[in-house]
Amino acid sequence: KAGVTQTPRYLIKTRGQQVTLSCSPISGHRSVSWYQQTPGQGLQFLFEYFSETQRNKGNFPGRFSGRQFSNSRSEMNVSTLELGDSALYLCASSRLGGEDTQYFGPGTRLTVL
Amino acid sequence: DAKTTQPNSMESNEEEPVHLPCNHSTISGTDYIHWYRQLPSQGPEYVIHGLTSNVNNRMASLAIAEDRKSSTLILHRATLRDAAVYYCILRLTGGGNKLTFGTGTQLKVEL
Repeated sequence: KAGVTQTPRYLIKTRGQQVTLSCSPISGHRSVSWYQQTPGQGLQFLFEYFSETQRNKGNFPGRFSGRQFSNSRSEMNVSTLELGDSALYLCASSRLGGEDTQYFGPGTRLTVL
Repeated sequence: DAKTTQPNSMESNEEEPVHLPCNHSTISGTDYIHWYRQLPSQGPEYVIHGLTSNVNNRMASLAIAEDRKSSTLILHRATLRDAAVYYCILRLTGGGNKLTFGTGTQLKVEL
């Protein structure tokens, strides 16, 4: 069974631009969560989507948004990029969410110049 | 979320057992103890989880103190591939899908 895939793997943007990251969960998984990892703050939860609905949200500004499609694929969008948004963005999928084990993708490395 | 405390780093020799400690003195009765690890340049990977009893799987063993205020992840024979950051996480039953990561323990494995 293929794992969680994320595209692109690397991305360079400039301040003020917006970016969209994509995540394809493991086949049959309906829950997708997003995390941001930075050297200073570590791994932080952004949000979770289940059956196309946001079910849980972390403490991030409204510039961070996401969505999930009917095939469970998910996208994350960051508008008006700031230097501090440079990070590794990780996507994790699980079968039903809740206490199910999460399986992480390799991440998208975003650099904001 | 209840907080966990782990040493910043530990070292081990290859082929030797490794005991990674985690303190969680404010754990509640419904918190599960989960361990994930993150290898260099990869996303976190599930290792093991438990509630009260010790648990074993093909990757590791989890020993949970009787009062549940601490736990230990045991790698029976460390290999170079086990060099990673190990995270101990508490998950509340019914608390949803969110994982709250701490700073973890950087495990170094030497020949």
